[in-house]
Order: sequence, then structure tokens, then C-alpha cells
Amino acid sequence: AQSVTQLDSQVPVFEEAPVELRCNYSSSVSVYLFWYVQYPNQGLQLLLKYLSGSTLVKGINGFEAEFNKSQTSFHLRKPSVHISDTAEYFCAVSEGPSGGSYIPTFGRGTSLIVHP
Amino acid sequence: DSGVTQTPKHLITATGQRVTLRCSPRSGDLSVYWYQQSLDQGLQFLIQYYNGEERAKGNILERFSAQQFPDLHSELNLSSLELGDSALYFCASSVEGLAHNEQFFGPGTRLTVL
Repeated sequence: AQSVTQLDSQVPVFEEAPVELRCNYSSSVSVYLFWYVQYPNQGLQLLLKYLSGSTLVKGINGFEAEFNKSQTSFHLRKPSVHISDTAEYFCAVSEGPSGGSYIPTFGRGTSLIVHP
Repeated sequence: DSGVTQTPKHLITATGQRVTLRCSPRSGDLSVYWYQQSLDQGLQFLIQYYNGEERAKGNILERFSAQQFPDLHSELNLSSLELGDSALYFCASSVEGLAHNEQFFGPGTRLTVL
């Protein structure tokens, strides 16, 4: 079974600064990886996903993430954040083609707080 | 707007009662998922349906049940409610319900049990 660890529960940052939200996973099979964002009082929406191919994945709103198989990580980055990026960010992992589960496992979430 | 609708938006009820949460998936999506989100447990997967059939079960209590109807909308029934059932309940949908499919989340139903 897979598991996900989001190492920081809260990340405060100033506007226009870079940010990295960390995600590590464990799985005995190949994986698919996702980052979702949840704005206040809304449901989750997909930021980006890694299925295969290039390990650097670009998503919406200027976010990108890098899949590192050796370190079992999928950290999310943005070079310059805006106030509007304040939200909860969830990393999720699901088993790849050799796995038998259809269901992603979500991390506990990281609250990104952008200060002016 | 994800295209997934959930009703009601808020629900306040008493312990011991029974409630039904409703979800309409995005047009064309065959699979529906239900999640419970609380501060202490995070986002917990409850159950998944695909084209009317149950496909996967997660941490769903026996007091909870769900179904997906022929028109693909889904209902989550919560009975004998306890204070600890207070949470946000999300429905999500995806095209085929496979591991690599993106899930589209509804706005959620906030359940408060008093």
C-alpha cells in the first residue's frame, strides 16, 4: 500500500518569494503523483500530475513539481508567489499500471500562507 | 467551477439522526468518489462507484452507505449520527475511475452534528 508524507503542515512566505512544498511517498510499485489545491471554502482542484515521461511537470498558476524516484519525492515549487496562492495544498499518490488500486492516497495537506 | 454539484451546502442535525448527501458528477464522468475531510483525520476516502457499481471501499463506517443511480448521480447516507461525524463531505468524479485519472471535486457539504 502507498503512503504520502507532507513534511510541513504550514509554510508562511512573503509575496514574490519562491516557495517549495515538500512531498514524500512510499510505494512498492510504480506510482502516479498529483498535487491538488484547495482554496478557502472550495473543493480540491488539480494543479499538476506526473504519470510518466519527463520528471519535471508544469501545472497551472505557475507551479511545477519534480518527480525524484531515488528520493521518492514530488516537491512542488513556484518561483514567485502571490497573495492569491494562499490555500491548502495536497499531494496524492496512486498505484501505477502494475498496481491494483484505483484510489489515490492523499497527504495531510500543507497550508501555504502568503504575506504581503 | 468543476462541474460537480453537491447538495446541500450545509446541514445541521442532531445526534442519532439520518441524513442524505447528494452528488451529481461532471457530464461524461462515470466514476464517483466520496471523501470525508476533518481537521484531525485529513482527507479520508470513503467509497468509489463506477457506472452504478461499487468499485472500491475505504474507511467507510457501517452506519454509512452510498449508491450510484442509473443517471450517475450518487447519494451518501449517514445514519445514527455522532458528534464525530461532523466534517466536510466531498464528492469527486472522474472519467473512468482509474488510478491515473484526474478527480474533479465538488464544493462539499458541511455537516454539523449537535
